[in-house]
Amino acid sequence: DIQMTQSPSSLSASVGDTVTISCRASQGINSFLNWYQVKPGKAPKLLIYTESSLQSGVPSRFSGSGSGTDFTLTISNLQPEDFATYFCQQSYSTPTFGQGTKVEIK
Amino acid sequence: QVTLKESGPVWVKPTETLTLTCTVSGFSLSDARLGVSWIRQPPGKALEWLAHIFSDDEKSYSTSLKTRLTISKDTSKSQVVLTMTNLDPVDTATYYCARRRDAVVEDYFDYWGQGTLVTVSS
Repeated sequence: DIQMTQSPSSLSASVGDTVTISCRASQGINSFLNWYQVKPGKAPKLLIYTESSLQSGVPSRFSGSGSGTDFTLTISNLQPEDFATYFCQQSYSTPTFGQGTKVEIK
Repeated sequence: QVTLKESGPVWVKPTETLTLTCTVSGFSLSDARLGVSWIRQPPGKALEWLAHIFSDDEKSYSTSLKTRLTISKDTSKSQVVLTMTNLDPVDTATYYCARRRDAVVEDYFDYWGQGTLVTVSS
């Protein structure tokens, strides 16, 4: 299976900040990289698919970039509702997820 | 409106078999390029994909768990069922079902259920 390594595992930020989360694949996955937001007790939410495509209804402050093995999720102008845990997931082969990044309020 | 809802026991004893049901609405389990996966998240840990069933009834399983898993569907009832045998406390997790959109150039889980917490304990 392809291993996905996310960093950092957690970060503290303030409303209005820009945060970046990194995800590295153990082998090339082209652009088959998706990002999800998970909050306790709620259905996980698809944010970005195929590296940089914004899912319908997701605010434009979320963006994705990268290719091959290294990918980044950027959240600009962080809002109170963005404090959550974020996971990357590769769909190049059998799905695997990163370990998650918890975004906390500073 | 696409929805998925998981149902099943909240508590299971070690060595027992877990059966979870995912009831979907807003799409058909026979729609091309759409399928349903089961994914779990142990408390404080990462998401782990478990199994998937395609629109043509083809199935795929996690390599590490495939001997314990069976996925099936009843299209007329809009339900996908996952069974997991020989449960252990490490299987304690929130279990999610998710719709997977699978095309040549894109493949992602676009809708998820809220999840159901299953605790394995004697």
